[in-house]
Amino acid sequence: QKEVEQNSGPLSVPEGAIASLNCTYSDRGSQSFFWYRQYSGKSPELIMSIYSNGDKEDGRFTAQLNKASQYVSLLIRDSQPSDSATYLCAALKENNDMRFGAGTRLTVKP
Amino acid sequence: DTAVSQTPKYLVTQMGNDKSIKCEQNLGHDTMYWYKQDSKKFLKIMFSYNNKELIINETVPNRFSPKSPDKAHLNLHINSLELGDSAVYFCASSQRLAGAGDIQYFGAGTRLSVL
Repeated sequence: QKEVEQNSGPLSVPEGAIASLNCTYSDRGSQSFFWYRQYSGKSPELIMSIYSNGDKEDGRFTAQLNKASQYVSLLIRDSQPSDSATYLCAALKENNDMRFGAGTRLTVKP
Repeated sequence: DTAVSQTPKYLVTQMGNDKSIKCEQNLGHDTMYWYKQDSKKFLKIMFSYNNKELIINETVPNRFSPKSPDKAHLNLHINSLELGDSAVYFCASSQRLAGAGDIQYFGAGTRLSVL
């Protein structure tokens, strides 16, 4: 079992719709969770970080964390074609050991 | 100024050669990392250093040897390159050793192709 699991996609949504990305993790000791966006041929860039249960909103992005269910999600409202990328979920263990999921490829169609 | 910079950006070499990738960060961070991203885009940690001390050493062949001359630099040397070493290698850095908020910032990556 991978430590961080994501649906690989591809996930396709029309422009203006809500994109929902999901992630589960296996290590209950993980305390910090991150969503990174990676465009093709580029490096991962941080979109959201979340550390406590509940929702965290930043512009069009909302991260949700449920530690009891070991579940993290990312909602992208009013999706734009420029949001088309691979989204990586990551869980931070001890010693700053970050474990990434395999990524979900999102396509937003105009 | 680029916060985390890696050189070279592209590296094409023959099997059996030895090569190095360099990484420097100007963010004043204490911890640096090397990740490997394979053709399936899976990003996997290889090593991390905190203040020149090796903290994480995942199961990678001992042909890979990281070196940290100071906390702003973390280089990766690879001996006897193999075809399976072809991947994109990312350097990253973060501020603290433990606790929430330890966001990692990535370099642009080095695309290694072994022929």
